[in-house]
Amino acid sequence: QSVLTQPPSVSAAPGQKVTISCSGSSSNIGNNYVSWYQQLPGTAPKLLIYENNQRPSGIPDRFSGSKSGTSATLGITGLQTGDEADYYCGTWDSSLSAWVFGGGTKLTVL
Amino acid sequence: EVQLVESGGGLVQPGRSLRLSCTASGFSFGDYAMSWFRQAPGKGLEWVGFIRSKAYGRATEHAASVKGRFTISRDDSQSVAYLQMNSLKTEDTAVYYCTRVRAGSPLYWYFDLWGRGTLVTVSS
Repeated sequence: QSVLTQPPSVSAAPGQKVTISCSGSSSNIGNNYVSWYQQLPGTAPKLLIYENNQRPSGIPDRFSGSKSGTSATLGITGLQTGDEADYYCGTWDSSLSAWVFGGGTKLTVL
Repeated sequence: EVQLVESGGGLVQPGRSLRLSCTASGFSFGDYAMSWFRQAPGKGLEWVGFIRSKAYGRATEHAASVKGRFTISRDDSQSVAYLQMNSLKTEDTAVYYCTRVRAGSPLYWYFDLWGRGTLVTVSS
């Protein structure tokens, strides 16, 4: 059971938009910054979003992040088959003094 | 090239020890905190622990699931971070990733550089 809650899977057609939610509490998302990671099949995770809504250089603006209260959301527009991956949200949990992840969301581009 | 390369994984019996290494190149290793994560087969990501830079006293913190068994250390002169794993259990079987930590406070942390991982299999 992960501290952060993500839907196990989401799907959408190529060119469409999808959102992935990440729900937590005041000890984690509510008071700390959230980052998002993309893990393509058979590869290491890759940073997509940091500090709730910032994109590292090289990450296209099709990817966006937002946070409201104790929830965060990753948005992906203009879906491509190459976006099929597992997506993880993460943040520091001040009560646990530990970094915590969501359980991951598998994106399928139909 | 900016990269992290993990090594030292393999097959080990329950109760034995193993030390993983993470060799950094292309950046000023000593300026950064480093963290270890793991991913059991078919499962999600799990934080293992971190070690802060010399500027923050090389302080460490470990996840509850490994505290007392695993120890993270670093050798800045060699640009290497280590994960010493003792009293290994079958549930420690996973791919272990080394990462670079950005930002000073854990409240702001994110992990912008990941190694490719090394597989540790604990089995008799």
